[in-house]
Amino acid sequence: AQSVSQHNHHVILSEAASLELGCNYSYGGTVNLFWYVQYPGQHLQLLLKYFSGDPLVKGIKGFEAEFIKSKFSFNLRKPSVQWSDTAEYFCAVSNAGNNRKLIWGLGTSLAVNP
Amino acid sequence: ETGVTQSPTHLIKTRGQQVTLRCSSQSGHNTVSWYQQALGQGPQFIFQYYREEENGRGNFPPRFSGLQFPNYSSELNVNALELDDSALYLCASSLSRTGNTEAFFGQGTRLTVV
Repeated sequence: AQSVSQHNHHVILSEAASLELGCNYSYGGTVNLFWYVQYPGQHLQLLLKYFSGDPLVKGIKGFEAEFIKSKFSFNLRKPSVQWSDTAEYFCAVSNAGNNRKLIWGLGTSLAVNP
Repeated sequence: ETGVTQSPTHLIKTRGQQVTLRCSSQSGHNTVSWYQQALGQGPQFIFQYYREEENGRGNFPPRFSGLQFPNYSSELNVNALELDDSALYLCASSLSRTGNTEAFFGQGTRLTVV
């Protein structure tokens, strides 16, 4: 069965620190990969996605993620976080070519201290 | 704003009652998916509708049912509510059920069962 594992449940950083959130998935086929963010009181927003091509994907707000197929990983990174990045971050995977359903990780709560 | 709207935003129901949640998809999107997000968890796929027909279902009992209308808006119905049904219910619309498309989420309906 498909599953997504996010390594960090709660992360606390100071502004300007670098961020890396781990995401591993379990699935035998070709996948689409996503990172979503949920700011307090707001809807889920897409940060970035990987469908095919360059495994280094750049998203909004300075975020990027690298797909490493051999490691079944899709880690999210940002070189320098801001207070406004405080949010819940979710990694999700779907079957490539058939987005019938997204399988989600449990989420990582990020708090950035000013 | 994603163009996906859900109503109501909050509601409280008593165990055993029935509830209907509504979702208006983004313009041009013919596919709607529903997710349940319990507190501290990632979203769980309930089912997907494509052009008024169910197109995949997660591990939810039959008392969770849905509809999609000709204008692609959708309803989620839950019968015989249980306390564990308390959660945030998310609706997501996408351009297609296949292919590499992303899902756009509404703000969700917070259901509390007492």
